[in-house]
Amino acid sequence: DSGVTQTPKHLITATGQRVTLRCSPRSGDLSVYWYQQSLDQGLQFLIQYYNGEERAKGNILERFSAQQFPDLHSELNLSSLELGDSALYFCASSLQGDTGELFFGEGSRLTVL
Amino acid sequence: AQSVTQLDSHVSVSEGTPVLLRCNYSSSYSPSLFWYVQHPNKGLQLLLKYTSAATLVKGINGFEAEFKKSETSFHLTKPSAHMSDAAEYFCVVMGGYSSASKIIFGSGTRLSIRP
Repeated sequence: DSGVTQTPKHLITATGQRVTLRCSPRSGDLSVYWYQQSLDQGLQFLIQYYNGEERAKGNILERFSAQQFPDLHSELNLSSLELGDSALYFCASSLQGDTGELFFGEGSRLTVL
Repeated sequence: AQSVTQLDSHVSVSEGTPVLLRCNYSSSYSPSLFWYVQHPNKGLQLLLKYTSAATLVKGINGFEAEFKKSETSFHLTKPSAHMSDAAEYFCVVMGGYSSASKIIFGSGTRLSIRP
């Protein structure tokens, strides 16, 4: 158990809909990362937050947004969903933002029909 | 710029035989290198990391990796494979300035273990 909690574990929705994925980092970790994993794209970095502030941005679509709250949990919002958004979305956390030592949650599997 | 290449998308070995998962990297700076493992339907877990200390790094579950600067490689090995080692393995490079966008994941190597 990594200490990182993601909800929901599975989510099925329709095209055009909006969903919110939630992540609780390990106790004491200040940095949260979001990754998307799909068969054709592999593991893609989406966005990083550090202590409530956006720290780095990767291949995140404009239809997607995220935030980190004062209690350090994070949410990833996906809107106007398309079939191609079906993937496993991982959250990871680290104590600070300067290491590659990440602790991953078990992911949220999103299926868009 | 930095990048990482996992040379094999799939490796299959027999139980009890050695494992070799190959990784080459490219980095403009002195890199930090990592191997992560992902078991089916699980998140990724750190196996081991290299951060410019000893070039031979030991990780969990009997895995180790050797940093070879001259070959720009960071191959993962294990002397004797176990059925529980069947998983996806990711080589990761991080170099330069601190930023998650500088953490680059390889495309992964799926390790299968034959009984």
